[in-house]
Amino acid sequence: EPEVTQTPSHQVTQMGQEVILRCVPISNHLYFYWYRQILGQKVEFLVSFYNNEISEKSEIFDDQFSVERPDGSNFTLKIRSTKLEDSAMYFCASLLGNEQFFGPGTRLTVL
Amino acid sequence: AQKITQTQPGMFVQEKEAVTLDCTYDTSDQSYGLFWYKQPSSGEMIFLIYQGSYDEQNATEGRYSLNFQKARKSANLVISASQLGDSAMYFCAMRVDRGSTLGRLYFGRGTQLTVWP
Repeated sequence: EPEVTQTPSHQVTQMGQEVILRCVPISNHLYFYWYRQILGQKVEFLVSFYNNEISEKSEIFDDQFSVERPDGSNFTLKIRSTKLEDSAMYFCASLLGNEQFFGPGTRLTVL
Repeated sequence: AQKITQTQPGMFVQEKEAVTLDCTYDTSDQSYGLFWYKQPSSGEMIFLIYQGSYDEQNATEGRYSLNFQKARKSANLVISASQLGDSAMYFCAMRVDRGSTLGRLYFGRGTQLTVWP
């Protein structure tokens, strides 16, 4: 069964450093999303991406965040200068029809 | 504004019994979808079931069924014959669809289900 994959599974970084989280969505899906979940809290939407451009973003997705689909298969989330409060689980998701499949997540720890 | 409310922070059920996890939603849009996800302690988000706002029949997927009451704006998840492996956090979510744009998911705060032997 096709699945969304994410790398790395866990990333530890120092405050102020740049991180890139990578996702490979399911190949025939058209919509891609990033969500995050701070430990013990609910899942929050960051950004959606369709037809090679951002279709919607939340207030969390400020200038420190960016997304790219560099090569037609990978979908990346970049955080330019990480803050302590960016520590969370980051989920990539892709959508076809009525099923939005999530990847296993990347746990980001900012020290 | 879209909102999902899960009022049960924790639920307990004995193995083999059925359990209902509550979810109410708020939206002024007519076209929307309701989802349930399971999040075990390992952290991944597992899609369980989907109900469209125009679907007249309640959705079912194996032991999962969605009790959709549109007038009450509720979308409760029913798990029949609970198993120990059902112990997890369960999230209700809603997606509003406008025209050809498929929107993002709005999540509730989740219900932690514990199944005991």
